[in-house]
Amino acid sequence: DTEVTQTPKHLVMGMTNKKSLKCEQHMGHRAMYWYKQKAKKPPELMFVYSYEKLSINESVPSRFSPECPNSSLLNLHLHALQPEDSALYLCASSQDYRGTDTQYFGPGTRLTVL
Amino acid sequence: GQQLNQSPQSMFIQEGEDVSMNCTSSSIFNTWLWYKQDPGEGPVLLIALYKAGELTSNGRLTAQFGITRKDSFLNISASIPSDVGIYFCAGPDNYGQNFVFGPGTRLSVLP
Repeated sequence: DTEVTQTPKHLVMGMTNKKSLKCEQHMGHRAMYWYKQKAKKPPELMFVYSYEKLSINESVPSRFSPECPNSSLLNLHLHALQPEDSALYLCASSQDYRGTDTQYFGPGTRLTVL
Repeated sequence: GQQLNQSPQSMFIQEGEDVSMNCTSSSIFNTWLWYKQDPGEGPVLLIALYKAGELTSNGRLTAQFGITRKDSFLNISASIPSDVGIYFCAGPDNYGQNFVFGPGTRLSVLP
C-alpha cells in the first residue's frame, strides 16, 4: 500500500481565517513533506520532517506553520493567508530522508484564499 | 542547485501512437523518477530507476536511466485518452537535501 491521504480535498478561506490541512500515511515512512504547486508548474518544496523533526524550511512565510504530531501525521496550519497563497498543497512521504528515497504523494488540497 | 530539463514541453498525439519524452540534467542524478499528474490531483509515481543503464517497464510505459546518469527517457506505447496529463521527471539531489522536479511535459491525446 503506497497511499498518502489528505483532507480536505478543497478549502476556501478568507484572509483572516485559521484553518489546517491534514496528511496521513501508514506506510511506516519516517520522512514527510509539504509542497505548494501553482498551475502548470512543478511542485515546490515547503517543509521536510524527518523522524518527526523539522529538517527543512524553505524560507516559507510564518503564516504557514507545519506540525508533525507523530510519524504518521502531518499538519499544515494556515493563518492570515494572502490570495497569492491559493494553490494545490501536496503532502508526500518517503521511507527515510536520504538521497535515494522515492517520494509518494497524496491527492492534494486545493486551497483558495479570498 | 541541480536542475532537470524536460522535452518536449508539450505534445499532441493521436490515440494509438507511441510517445517518447526526455529528461536531462547538467549534473549526475543517482535516482530518476517519473510521475504523472492529472489536473487537481497529486503526482502518481509511474516508474523509479535506481541504476545507470536500467530499463524498466510498467505496462505500456518503459523508462531508462541513462548511462551517463545525466538523462532518462519515458516511452508510452499505444497511447489512450487516459494518458493525458503532465509527466514530471524528478530525483533527489546529490546532497540529499532536496527533491528536484523537471518542469513537466504536458501530453494531450486526440481521439
